[in-house]
Amino acid sequence: DLQMTQSPSSVSASVGDRVTITCRASQDVSNFLGWYQHKPGKAPKLLIYGASTLQSGVPSRFRGSGSGTDFTLTITSLQPEDFATYYCQQADASPPPTFGGGTKVDIK
Amino acid sequence: EVHLVESGGGLVQPGGSLRLSCAASEFTFSNYWMHWVRQAPGEGLEWVARINGGGTTRSYADSVKGRFTISRDNAKNTLYLQMNTLKAEDTAIYYCARDLGVLGNYGDCWGQGTLVTVSS
Repeated sequence: DLQMTQSPSSVSASVGDRVTITCRASQDVSNFLGWYQHKPGKAPKLLIYGASTLQSGVPSRFRGSGSGTDFTLTITSLQPEDFATYYCQQADASPPPTFGGGTKVDIK
Repeated sequence: EVHLVESGGGLVQPGGSLRLSCAASEFTFSNYWMHWVRQAPGEGLEWVARINGGGTTRSYADSVKGRFTISRDNAKNTLYLQMNTLKAEDTAIYYCARDLGVLGNYGDCWGQGTLVTVSS
């Protein structure tokens, strides 16, 4: 089965910091990779699809990169509203879509 | 603005059944694939099932295959998830999500979720 492994599982950061989250797939997923932001009690929000395409309305401080098995989400200057849990997701149809374990970004 | 509202969650005993609904509005529902995704307490997101716009193509996570059925009524702009033979590990918040519509399976709009608790 395909596995999506995120690291770190949590990170403490300050407003203005650059934050980098990595996601590794256990097999090649090409660029079928999405990133989501999830806050408690809220609906998840799509940030990035196709590994690097910014979803409409998402601030440009969110950047996605990578292909194949290794991917990165970078928040270039962390803002107060960015404290949340971030998930990568393999988005191909077969094997079925699979989420990573999540990375919680909290206040240092 | 796209609007998705889930309903039908609640407390059910192990082995029981429940049907979730997701009412969609402000977009042409029949044009979109739709997904169910869940989050167990203290856990991450787990994709559950998807269905195409016409309701003719479905796929499921291995963890629910044979027990859950995804369906839709395009005349009512409503997505469903019939859950049978429920287990404690099915306890989760269940979200419906609209597919982005590009190559791949991305949820671009999500509901607020409905809580399903499986317990005796």
